[in-house]
Amino acid sequence: QSVLTQPPSVSAAPGQRVTISCSGSSSNIANAFVSWYQHLPGTAPRLLIYNNSERPSGIPDRFSASKSGASATLAITGLQAGDEAHYFCESWDHNLRAGVFGGGTKLTVL
Amino acid sequence: EVQLVESGGGLVRPGGSMRLSCEASGFTFSRHSMAWVRQAPGKGLEFLAQSSPTGETAYYGASVKGRVTISKDNSRNILFLQMDGLTADDTALYYCARDLRQQLEYDYWGQGTLVTVSS
Repeated sequence: QSVLTQPPSVSAAPGQRVTISCSGSSSNIANAFVSWYQHLPGTAPRLLIYNNSERPSGIPDRFSASKSGASATLAITGLQAGDEAHYFCESWDHNLRAGVFGGGTKLTVL
Repeated sequence: EVQLVESGGGLVRPGGSMRLSCEASGFTFSRHSMAWVRQAPGKGLEFLAQSSPTGETAYYGASVKGRVTISKDNSRNILFLQMDGLTADDTALYYCARDLRQQLEYDYWGQGTLVTVSS
C-alpha cells in the first residue's frame, strides 16, 4: 500500500493527451515538492518533472505537471509509442521523514 | 558526464547481510545528497535511504528502518548501503540516485545492482 496513490494503468491513442494523477495528504504532497519519473523495464528511472512542474533540460515540453493541494497530475500530450512506460510520482513525507513513491502507473499507447 | 555505478549485489541467504556500493563520477559528490531506491520484481519504486551531502544526516524508509544504514565517503566518491536481516522480500534491483537540489528529486540514477535473497 503506497503512501501516494496512482491509478494502476492509463491508456490513450498516439497523438492524444493523457493525465496521471497522484494523490497524497497534508503530510506529503500538500507541503512538499513533487517529482515525476518515467521508468522503462531494464533501464534506470528518468526524472521528468521536479519542483512540482519544472522540466530538467532535455525533457520535451510534451510532459507537464501541476499540483493542487494534496494532489498532483502529470500530463503527456502528443503521445508516442516510446512513451509507453511506468510513471511514478514521488514526494517527501514529513510524518515518515522519508521519501515516498506512488505505486506507479503503466501507460499503454494504443 | 555524471556516472553512478552500483555493485555488491548477488545471492544472499535469508538472515544474511549485504553491503552495496555506488561509485560516483562526473560531478562534485560532496555537494549532493544521495539516495538508495529499490524495485522488487513486479513492484514499484521504493525509497530506502537518503544521505545529506556531508553524510551527517540520513533518512530511512519505514519498511527498512532499523535494518539499513546509508553512508557516504566523500573522499572516495562512494555511497554505501548496509542492510541486515535480509528476507525474500528484499529481493530487488537496488539503485543509487543523485538528488538534484536536496529536495528528493533524483536526476541521475545508476543501472542498479540485483540482490536475490534465497536459500
